Amino acid sequence: DAGVIQSPRHEVTEMGQEVTLRCKPISGHDYLFWYRQTMMRGLELLIYFNNNVPIDDSGMPEDRFSAKMPNASFSTLKIQPSEPRDSAVYFCASSFVGQRFTDTQYFGPGTRLTVL
Amino acid sequence: DAKTTQPPSMDCAEGRAANLPCNHSTISGNEYVYWYRQIHSQGPQYIIHGLKNNETNEMASLIITEDRKSSTLILPHATLRDTAVYYCIVRVKTYFGNEKLTFGTGTRLTIIP
Repeated sequence: DAGVIQSPRHEVTEMGQEVTLRCKPISGHDYLFWYRQTMMRGLELLIYFNNNVPIDDSGMPEDRFSAKMPNASFSTLKIQPSEPRDSAVYFCASSFVGQRFTDTQYFGPGTRLTVL
Repeated sequence: DAKTTQPPSMDCAEGRAANLPCNHSTISGNEYVYWYRQIHSQGPQYIIHGLKNNETNEMASLIITEDRKSSTLILPHATLRDTAVYYCIVRVKTYFGNEKLTFGTGTRLTIIP
C-alpha cells in the first residue's frame, strides 16, 4: 500500500488567496484526521471524519477553514482567505478500527504551507 | 484524557537501550497509553500501546507500572534512525467518539554515535 498520500507537499501562497490541501487515505480505512503542526502550538487535531462524516471539528480554528470528505478515498482542507499565521505543516492521517480495534493512525508526509 | 509529562530531551548511545519515561498520574481505568514518534520533517509514526500489561512488538517494549501512573518506552538497541521526538499519549479507546490523539510536547531523543 502506498500509505496516506498528501498533495501538494509544499505550497507557497500570498495572503488572501485560497489554499486547498488534499489527502488520500489508505484504502479501507474508515477514519480520516487533519492535524496542523507549528513550533508554537505543536501538533493539534483540526477535524476528523468517520465513514466520510465529520465527527469532531472543534479544532478548526475559524470559519476560514473548511474540510470535506466527498468519498472514502479523498478529503480536502481549504483555507479561504489564507493568512500568514496559517503557515504550518498540515498532516492527514487515517485509521481503521476493525474487529480487533486496531486503531493505529497512519500519517501522511504532510503539506508545508507558507503564506506570505 | 489524562495529561502526560515527559522529559523534554534525552540522549542515548547508539547500540544501547533507550528508556523513555512518561508520567500519567491522573490516568483513568479505561485509558490506554500510546506511544508515537516523529522523525524530523515526517508525519508521526505509531510505536506501541498498552493498558496495564507490558507490551512488546518489533519496534519497542512498553512497561507500565502496576499503579499505571507511569510507563517507560524501551528501544532495545537504539540506532541513529531512532533519533526523533517521542510522544506519550493517554486516551480512552472506544469504538466511537474518542478516536482523537492529543499530542503533547514529547521527548526529543538523540542517539549519539
